[in-house]
Amino acid sequence: SQQGEEDPQALSIQEGENATMNCSYKTSINNLQWYRQNSGRGLVHLILIRSNEREKHSGRLRVTLDTSKKSSSLLITASRAADTASYFCATEYGQLTFGSGTQLTVLP
Amino acid sequence: DAGVIQSPRHEVTEMGQEVTLRCKPISGHDYLFWYRQTMMRGLELLIYFNNNVPIDDSGMPEDRFSAKMPNASFSTLKIQPSEPRDSAVYFCASTTRTGHIYEQYFGPGTRLTVT
Repeated sequence: SQQGEEDPQALSIQEGENATMNCSYKTSINNLQWYRQNSGRGLVHLILIRSNEREKHSGRLRVTLDTSKKSSSLLITASRAADTASYFCATEYGQLTFGSGTQLTVLP
Repeated sequence: DAGVIQSPRHEVTEMGQEVTLRCKPISGHDYLFWYRQTMMRGLELLIYFNNNVPIDDSGMPEDRFSAKMPNASFSTLKIQPSEPRDSAVYFCASTTRTGHIYEQYFGPGTRLTVT
């Protein structure tokens, strides 16, 4: 069963805008990870945030984690057409469980 | 390193035929995962191995599915007999674990179509 649920399911924005995707989960976690999947490709790991961390940055990516609300968000700043992909959150607690994903489309 | 390698990339077969999917994990990784991805069900974990030993196969849909890992550099997922509902993209992923923290490296996937 899928632990993480992403919101929204689909998001369409203009190049240069920021994109925010949310992930909610139900049980305890050791860490939460975000992955990207380009069309026809495998998933690629983007960033990991530990359960005792609240915010993490990597380039144009910013991830927040609120364990009291069991939620996380992924912010992509200054989006580019190349950011068009599906984004998945995955919670780790013994094993990795993936959410259903958000399809992001960045229009040039 | 070449990353996780899967073959074939595409497979089209008729219902009832046997299908074998292959995976070569990243050298040094001691965990290997098989996933199935469909529009309806998303990404599902089928089975995973640690040091070539199957640890959790609770995601394997039914007895028609079997997976083996004869050595650290090779794994197979077999479907016999195949059915149209098995049509999906099958991913293999590998990792090595440091405490609780591990990111998975995915292969490019095998797109299976069963007619």
